[in-house]
Amino acid sequence: QSALTQPASVSGSLGQSITISCTGTTSDVGAYNYVSWYQLHPGKAPKLIIYAVTNRPSGVSNRFSGSKSGNTASLTISGLQAEDEADYYCNSYARGSTLVVFGGGTKLTVL
Amino acid sequence: EVQLVESGGGLVKPGGSLRLSCAVSGFTFNNAWMIWARHIPGKGLEWVGRIKRKTDTRTTDYAAPVNGRFIISRDDSENMVYLQMNNLKTEDTALYYCARRYCNETNCYDDAFGDWGQGTMVTVSS
Repeated sequence: QSALTQPASVSGSLGQSITISCTGTTSDVGAYNYVSWYQLHPGKAPKLIIYAVTNRPSGVSNRFSGSKSGNTASLTISGLQAEDEADYYCNSYARGSTLVVFGGGTKLTVL
Repeated sequence: EVQLVESGGGLVKPGGSLRLSCAVSGFTFNNAWMIWARHIPGKGLEWVGRIKRKTDTRTTDYAAPVNGRFIISRDDSENMVYLQMNNLKTEDTALYYCARRYCNETNCYDDAFGDWGQGTMVTVSS
């Protein structure tokens, strides 16, 4: 069982918006503004799309946005495109011996 | 162009050992904090551990499930990072990635990893 909880799957139609949640505890998501999101396409390396809760690395589309409230972080993808279909993972810095914890991943299907 | 290329994966019996390598190019390696992470089939990503740069004394930290069994090291002269895995268990079966801690113009972020390799598969089975 992963440390952070994500929905197993979400879906949305082309052009619509979706939000993926990432729920942790007061020892990880709730304790730090250090939540990142990654996009994984099959057979490809993970791609960092959000860091420090709300920030996008250079080159990442502004259709991707992040937020956090309490122990839950969220990734919103607006204007869904076919190429957004992928697995998405969150992670957070954490207290304890395991310094970084990941979510279980969410499979996004674009209809 | 930034490149990270993992190698050394394979099939190993429970209790066995394996050493993974990660060859890095395209950035100033000796200034980078590096991590290993794994993707367990049917489950999610998992942070395995990290090694800091020389000026941070090359300190290592490990996830609880691998602490005491895995060792991360680096060779700055060769732009290589290694993962020595001992006393392997079936639950260590995964695709293993190396990655670089992400830094923007002003800060570095210990939970964000901006460059990843393609991974090398480790299967622990009798």
